[in-house]
Formats: sequence, structure tokens, C-alpha cells
Amino acid sequence: DQQVKQNSPSLSVQEGRISILNCDYTNSMFDYFLWYKKYPAEGPTFLISISSIKDKNEDGRFTVFLNKSAKHLSLHIVPSQPGDSAVYFCAARPPGGKLIFGQGTELSVKP
Amino acid sequence: DGGITQSPKYLFRKEGQNVTLSCEQNLNHDAMYWYRQDPGQGLRLIYYSQIVNDFQKGDIAEGYSVSREKKESFPLTVTSAQKNPTAFYLCASSQSGPGRNTIYFGEGSWLTVV
Repeated sequence: DQQVKQNSPSLSVQEGRISILNCDYTNSMFDYFLWYKKYPAEGPTFLISISSIKDKNEDGRFTVFLNKSAKHLSLHIVPSQPGDSAVYFCAARPPGGKLIFGQGTELSVKP
Repeated sequence: DGGITQSPKYLFRKEGQNVTLSCEQNLNHDAMYWYRQDPGQGLRLIYYSQIVNDFQKGDIAEGYSVSREKKESFPLTVTSAQKNPTAFYLCASSQSGPGRNTIYFGEGSWLTVV
């Protein structure tokens, strides 16, 4: 049972435009959500997080939105840059529990 | 520099052999984790440890073993019982206890069975 789902395995965006990566979850007990970025043959790096008491968190070009009623999380990257090309994982955690990762979405930003 | 060091980066194993992947962290984190990444399957948790001398099975622990004799170290042994060991292995760590504790990852180790 996949509790965290990234339904788009890949996304292609033009440089300078907005990239929107989506993530859905099923467990309403999740209270902390994170996005990680991963280049090939490297470990994931933490990008941005949001707790369930908020609906938006922004850090530079990256903004995460949380819609608790829809159990939906999204990451917006504006403007997209070629260096943003990577696999993006969303993850969620229930209180005191372990992180559960989605399957990842591969973002390709074309110049 | 603080961080998580995994070694070796690339490892080849013959059928029937056990191999051990090393993971060391100097972040003073209490919790450590091992994940496996396969194409299209995201990151799956193998084992985790919240404290020294204690560890729990994750979602895919069969064919793997771990130890946590020191806070800084959490080696993973891939045994011959693991039927499909070729994968990218990721070690991670985090602070333990209540709160929104972010997991930080090492650079990963590629294991290939030949």
C-alpha cells in the first residue's frame, strides 16, 4: 500500500518557466512533509519541508504548498534552471514515525 | 566537515558472498537508517536504529543485517540470502526524539552482483 504517491514519473519544463511537482498521500496522521532532490549516483539532499500546521513554505525559488483536505503536496520551482534537473522525492512522516518516500519524479529543465 | 560517509562507493559481489557496506556520521545524530533505491520504486527502508545497541527492521529487511555498536557507525551486511541485492544503497541519519527531524543522506553505495 503506497501511502505517498508521486504519480508523474517525469516532467519536462523550459528554462525560466515554473516547474510543479505533485505528491499525494493517504494517511491523514502525517504531520511533516519534505522534499528531497537527487542527482544520479548521489544521495538525496534535503530541499524544503512543511509542517501540517502550515499551508505554504517558501525558500528562494522553491515553494511547497500543502492542501490537507485534498491530502496533496506540491513543490513549485520558479524560475526553473537547467541545474534543477534531477529526481525529486516527496516524503511524509506521522508523529513519532518513520519517513515514507514517494517513488520520485524526474524533472528535466531544457535550455 | 560534518556529514555522512559511505564506503565503498562501488562494490561487486559474487553470488553466495556476504558483503558489508560502511556508514559513518559525525553529525552527533542518534538515529541512523539504511535505504535501498531501485528504479521506479523510490526509497525503501531496510533497517533503522534510534539508539546505540538497538535497531529495528524496516520494510525490506530480509537478507540484510546491521549492527549499532557505536553512535557514529551503522554498517549494513548484505547476505547471500538477499535474492536481488544489486541496487543503490543509501545511509542516512537524523536527530531522534519528538519534533520534525529531517533525515540527511550519505552519497550512496552501488552494489552489483556478478
